[in-house]
Amino acid sequence: AQSVTQLDSHVSVSEGTPVLLRCNYSSSYSPSLFWYVQHPNKGLQLLLKYTSAATLVKGINGFEAEFKKSETSFHLTKPSAHMSDAAEYFCVVSYTGTASKLTFGTGTRLQVTL
Amino acid sequence: DGGITQSPKYLFRKEGQNVTLSCEQNLNHDAMYWYRQDPGQGLRLIYYSQIVNDFQKGDIAEGYSVSREKKESFPLTVTSAQKNPTAFYLCASSLGQTTGELFFGEGSRLTVL
Repeated sequence: AQSVTQLDSHVSVSEGTPVLLRCNYSSSYSPSLFWYVQHPNKGLQLLLKYTSAATLVKGINGFEAEFKKSETSFHLTKPSAHMSDAAEYFCVVSYTGTASKLTFGTGTRLQVTL
Repeated sequence: DGGITQSPKYLFRKEGQNVTLSCEQNLNHDAMYWYRQDPGQGLRLIYYSQIVNDFQKGDIAEGYSVSREKKESFPLTVTSAQKNPTAFYLCASSLGQTTGELFFGEGSRLTVL
């Protein structure tokens, strides 16, 4: 069964410092990987997606993620955190390419302090 | 603006009552989905529909029912058979089935008293 693990349930950073949210997926051929963001009491919004093109994927709001097959990882990064980045982030994997077969991670809550 | 509208945003119900959550989209998307979100857990798929008048069970369909009479609408009924209905419910849509890019509504929070 496909699975995805978000290694930290909560991450706290200071404004202006780098952000790293970690995600590992179960090894399989050609996964599609996604990062979604959810602000409090809101729906999820797609940040970026990897679908076997370039391994470094750039998303919205300055976020990017790198697909590392050897490490089965798809960590999300941002060079400089902003207060508005405070939210919950979900790593999502699909091995079948179909939207009805997405597996969501349990989420990482990002806190940004002054 | 195109998007997905869920209503109500907050809903309270007594045990034994059925409730229906509304989901409407004007994105002209074929596929629609209902997810349930509980604290500390990822989203879990309740039902999905790829086309009008057709829908399939997701991972946790027991105690829920849906209909898809119009392309734009995909209401979810939480029945009294659902043992633990208190949760945040999210509706989503996608242009087709062969994409993981979902567009979400803002959710409906159901509390059973």
